[in-house]
This record gives sequence, structure tokens and C-alpha cells, in this order.
Amino acid sequence: NAGVMQNPRHLVRRRGQEARLRCSPMKGHSHVYWYRQLPEEGLKFMVYLQKENIIDESGMPKERFSAEFPKEGPSILRIQQVVRGDSAAYFCASSPGTARSGANVLTFGAGSRLTVL
Amino acid sequence: KNEVEQSPQNLTAQEGEFITINCSYSVGISALHWLQQHPGGGIVSLFMLSSGKKKHGRLIATINIQEKHSSLHITASHPRDSAVYICAVSRNTGNQFYFGTGTSLTVIP
Repeated sequence: NAGVMQNPRHLVRRRGQEARLRCSPMKGHSHVYWYRQLPEEGLKFMVYLQKENIIDESGMPKERFSAEFPKEGPSILRIQQVVRGDSAAYFCASSPGTARSGANVLTFGAGSRLTVL
Repeated sequence: KNEVEQSPQNLTAQEGEFITINCSYSVGISALHWLQQHPGGGIVSLFMLSSGKKKHGRLIATINIQEKHSSLHITASHPRDSAVYICAVSRNTGNQFYFGTGTSLTVIP
């Protein structure tokens, strides 16, 4: 079990380009969370997904950001027309269930570090 | 105001010292998590607890549900313990996790 896999680990984009970050959850985990960590700041919730469904996207900027978790394949966080302020570490975490079900053990990926030039 | 507050923000200790990091939260939770993040590195889950106390090696985590407070202790600290320690809570309603801003620990040899 390789844990939560994120790629790429490092991504450099120029302003206006698109960034795609991928996250494969741990085997048996059907809940995926994306967090952003700006330099010198704490983790901020972005979006929570289950397979094929966005459950909570209250932390996602309204424009340019989108996320999906298809039936097959990894979860993808997509940032269109990147700006310098998007430079951050983006962490994915997965859990086997929800807080209410008690299965809320959270496992993090190593993060994807986006640099916008 | 953050749902999760940690103190201190920064901590420097001599090797061998006993270290305590505190976490207070203001919401109802199903569990509290202590995480470790090394510079430029990923995030590792150290503990998940909903009551009492847990111990793993030189690390001890305690939680007081009534006071909405948790502490992470490191005994006989070592330079390799230098990292950011993050407190996070999972709500008992909804599905979000909320994070403190972290405590940056530096242990000097």
C-alpha cells in the first residue's frame, strides 16, 4: 500500500497557463480532501470529494479552480490561468470514511508544490 | 477567529529538553489529530485521539474534551524532532477538518 500518491511533486508554470495536480488516495479510501498551504501559513481546506461527487467545495476560489474525482483514476485539482498568488503547496489527504462514521483517519500525500513565474 | 489555535507559534529547545505544544479548539469534534511536517516535506499523522492519552515512543498526546484542549509532549527532544507540528480537528458534524497554523519547533544540539 503506497499511501496517498500525489504528482507532480513540483510544478512550474508561467502566468496564464494551466496547472493540473493529481492525487491517488490510499487503497480502500473513498474520501479525498484538497488543502492549500501558502508560504508561512497553515493548511486551508479547499474541497472534499467522494467518487464522482463534490461534497463540499466551500474553500475553493470561485473562479479558475476546479476539482474532480472520477469513477476511475485519481482526483484532479485544476487551476486555470494561474497567477503568482497561486504559488503554494497543495496537499491531498484521504480517509476511508467520514467523521460521523468514525472512519476519519486522515492520511496525507507528500504535496505538490506549484510555482508560478 | 480560527476554530483551532496553537501555542506557541515558534519554539526553540536544547537537545534533551521536555517540550509541550498546546492546542485549543472551539467546535464540537469527533477526533483531534497531531501532524508533523518537516521543512519542504510531506505531512505525517502522529496521533488521532478522541479522549485520554496516547503514547508513541517519545511522543505523548493528551486531550481534555471538557476543556477543549490538547497537548503534544516530546520527551528527551532531539534535533531530528525539528519540524512543524500541526493540530487538526475533525468535526462531529459535516466532513471537514480544521487546522491550526502550526508550531515550528527547532531543537538545538
